[in-house]
Amino acid sequence: SQTIHQWPATLVQPVGSPLSLECTVEGTSNPNLYWYRQAAGRGLQLLFYSVGIGQISSEVPQNLSASRPQDRQFILSSKKLLLSDSGFYLCAWSVATNSPLHFGNGTRLTVT
Amino acid sequence: ELKVEQNPLFLSMQEGKNYTIYCNYSTTSDRLYWYRQDPGKSLESLFVLLSNGAVKQEGRLMASLDTKARLSTLHITAAVHDLSATYFCAVSSNYGGSQGNLIFGKGTKLSVKP
Repeated sequence: SQTIHQWPATLVQPVGSPLSLECTVEGTSNPNLYWYRQAAGRGLQLLFYSVGIGQISSEVPQNLSASRPQDRQFILSSKKLLLSDSGFYLCAWSVATNSPLHFGNGTRLTVT
Repeated sequence: ELKVEQNPLFLSMQEGKNYTIYCNYSTTSDRLYWYRQDPGKSLESLFVLLSNGAVKQEGRLMASLDTKARLSTLHITAAVHDLSATYFCAVSSNYGGSQGNLIFGKGTKLSVKP
């Protein structure tokens, strides 16, 4: 069966510090991978998605970036965090476009 | 641009009562999803609706889709406390760079009280 791992679960970082969140999927090949952000009390915002290694599409321009160095690995990064980057970050995968998303457990990021 | 609107955003129900959550979307879409999120947790897939008139039921929850009206409903029958959670609808975008990706509503926070 397929599983998705996301870490860390919680993170507190000062403004201006770098960020690296990692997500890996097991049990499937060539999944679509996604990063969503959920700000407090708000819905989910799609940040990045990837349909293959090295292929990243950005939905929202900001100081975040994503990379997919391996088929089942998706990384969310920032060189300098802003206060507004605080939120709940969710990684997800699907077998194909238009298929249901399967979410990781999320990372709660607090930028202080 | 695809927009997804849910209402109500907050819903307080008594156990045993029925209620409906609505999800409207602004442009043509192939499919619609419902997810559940418990506090501090990730999202769990509930239903996938693929065609006009589709109806799916799981326990006390029933979801339906009217693609002509661009409307989906999530009906709760005889609510119980365990249903307390935030429910999201998500619609597949058919356009532009987000083609095939899901656009989420803001969620409906449901609280079921004894």
